[in-house]
Parts: sequence; structure tokens; C-alpha cells
Amino acid sequence: EAGVTQSPTHLIKTRGQQATLRCSPISGHTSVYWYQQALGLGLQFLLWYDEGEERNRGNFPPRFSGRQFPNYSSELNVNALELEDSALYLCASSFRGSSGANVLTFGAGSRLTVL
Amino acid sequence: EDKVVQSPLSLVVHEGDTVTLNCSYEVTNFRSLLWYKQEKKAPTFLFMLTSSGIEKKSGRLSSILDKKELFSILNITATQTGDSAIYLCASQGAQKLVFGQGTRLTINP
Repeated sequence: EAGVTQSPTHLIKTRGQQATLRCSPISGHTSVYWYQQALGLGLQFLLWYDEGEERNRGNFPPRFSGRQFPNYSSELNVNALELEDSALYLCASSFRGSSGANVLTFGAGSRLTVL
Repeated sequence: EDKVVQSPLSLVVHEGDTVTLNCSYEVTNFRSLLWYKQEKKAPTFLFMLTSSGIEKKSGRLSSILDKKELFSILNITATQTGDSAIYLCASQGAQKLVFGQGTRLTINP
């Protein structure tokens, strides 16, 4: 069974540009989560999508946005890039169980560097 | 606001030692507490805890949850160099999974 796949692995942009990161969840998972992990910091929650809808977002500015497609894959867009956006962006997927106690499976991440 | 705090932030021990990693949490509508191990990029799942006092065990790793005091511990016995990693604790509420800063564990031969 394929795991969570993310692309690209690495991305280099300059300030002010836009970045698009992609994520394909495990087959059967309907929820996709995005996290930012800056160097030396823990995982900061960005966005949660389930069944095509945004369910929750973290304390990030509106230039961080995304969407989930009918096949449950997801995109994260970061507009007007700033130097501090340089980080590892991790995507995770899970079943959307009614209990809410779900194990998230993570992808290997996309390393974004903003110059 | 939901919060997860791990301690220590960094720990260096010798191979064969036993280590205990701590995690305290405050989360609205608590559902579960999860532990992950992050070696290079993708965090890998270790344990999910939902009930107090029931130890989860996998080989040399074990974990337990105290829902009254709002904390969890992760124990690793007879540590090996392959246990070197960042260990992440996360608390799951109704709307999101909140992670702590992680504990960077280094095992020296």
C-alpha cells in the first residue's frame, strides 16, 4: 500500500513568489492535514481538510491557503513568500472516524527554501 | 488555547541507558494522545493513548497516560544508537492535532 506522497521534495523560491505543494493521501483516507516545521521548531498546524471541505486552520496568515480535490489529494499554496516561510511542510492523512481519535500518517515532506 | 509541552527538549545518554520523556497537555475536547518518532523527515507513529493508566508497549518502548494530571510519559529501555531521533508528543482534540516541540534524543555508543 502506498503511503502519503508529497511533491516536490525540494523547492527553492525567492521572496514575493508563490509556492504550491501537493499531497496524495493513503487510499481510503479522507482527511488531509498540513503542518509547518521550521528549523528547530515543532510541528505547527496549518490546515485540515476532510471530504473536500476546510475543517480547521491554524494561526497562519491568509496567504497560506489550500484545497482538497474530489480524489482527496490536496494542495497547499503559499503566496507572497517571506524568508521565514522556509521550512519543511508535512502532509498527513487519516480516516475521518466518528470518535476523532485518529492516527495520522505522515509523508516525507516538502522542503521549501525562500531566498 | 490548546498546548502541548515536552521535556526535556534535548537529552544525551549512553547506549544501554533507560530514558523517560515527558509530555503535558491542555486541549479542548481531548480525544487521544499520540507519540511519534522523527528521524529524518516523516514522523512515524509509535503509540496512541486514550485511557488513563493503561500502558502501551512495543518492544523496548512503552507509554502511559494520566488524564487526571494531563500528562504522558514515553519510556525507552536498553537504548540503542538507532533510537536517536526527535520524539514528538501530540494531543488530539475535536478539531486538530497539536504537537509539542519535541525531545531530541541522542544515544552515544
